[in-house]
Amino acid sequence: QKEVEQDPGPLSVPEGAIVSLNCTYSNSAFQYFMWYRQYSRKGPELLMYTYSSGNKEDGRFTAQVDKSSKYISLFIRDSQPSDSATYLCAMSKGGYGGSQGNLIFGKGTKLSVKP
Amino acid sequence: KAGVTQTPRYLIKTRGQQVTLSCSPISGHRSVSWYQQTPGQGLQFLFEYFSETQRNKGNFPGRFSGRQFSNSRSEMNVSTLELGDSALYLCASSLDTGLADTQYFGPGTRLTVL
Repeated sequence: QKEVEQDPGPLSVPEGAIVSLNCTYSNSAFQYFMWYRQYSRKGPELLMYTYSSGNKEDGRFTAQVDKSSKYISLFIRDSQPSDSATYLCAMSKGGYGGSQGNLIFGKGTKLSVKP
Repeated sequence: KAGVTQTPRYLIKTRGQQVTLSCSPISGHRSVSWYQQTPGQGLQFLFEYFSETQRNKGNFPGRFSGRQFSNSRSEMNVSTLELGDSALYLCASSLDTGLADTQYFGPGTRLTVL
């Protein structure tokens, strides 16, 4: 079993739809959870960063972490064609001088928002 | 502030050759991590450098190596290239304040091995 599982999609939605992206993980030591967006032929760009369980909102984006279920989500409201990209979840055990530089990524979900 | 830069952006090599990729982190960032991205395996951690020392290493063969210089710039080297080494190699930098800092990625170097 991979440490992080993410449905690769592709996921196609109409403009304005609410998008839900999810990852599950197996390692209970993960404490830091991130969502990155990657456009074609570009490096990943950080969207959301969450520590431990809870919700975090930033504009049209909401990240949720449920450590008891080992499940994280990213919601995109009022999706736009410019949101079309691959979304990668990532997580880390954190800790000073430890594994903080080692992010474990899901394989990414390819999202297409149709005008 | 300039982002993470990687050179070269594209590279074509043949099997058996070796290659060196370069990464310049964001000014002030002290930690540099390297990742390999392929369609089959996704993004996989190669290694992390901090203060010119390798602090973490992923599960890759010894053909993959790296180093960091005193100005935090980093290089990674792949010797005896194999077809399976064809991938996008990404470098990420972070401040390293003592917690799990945000990693900022460069655009990557796309390596093709023929």
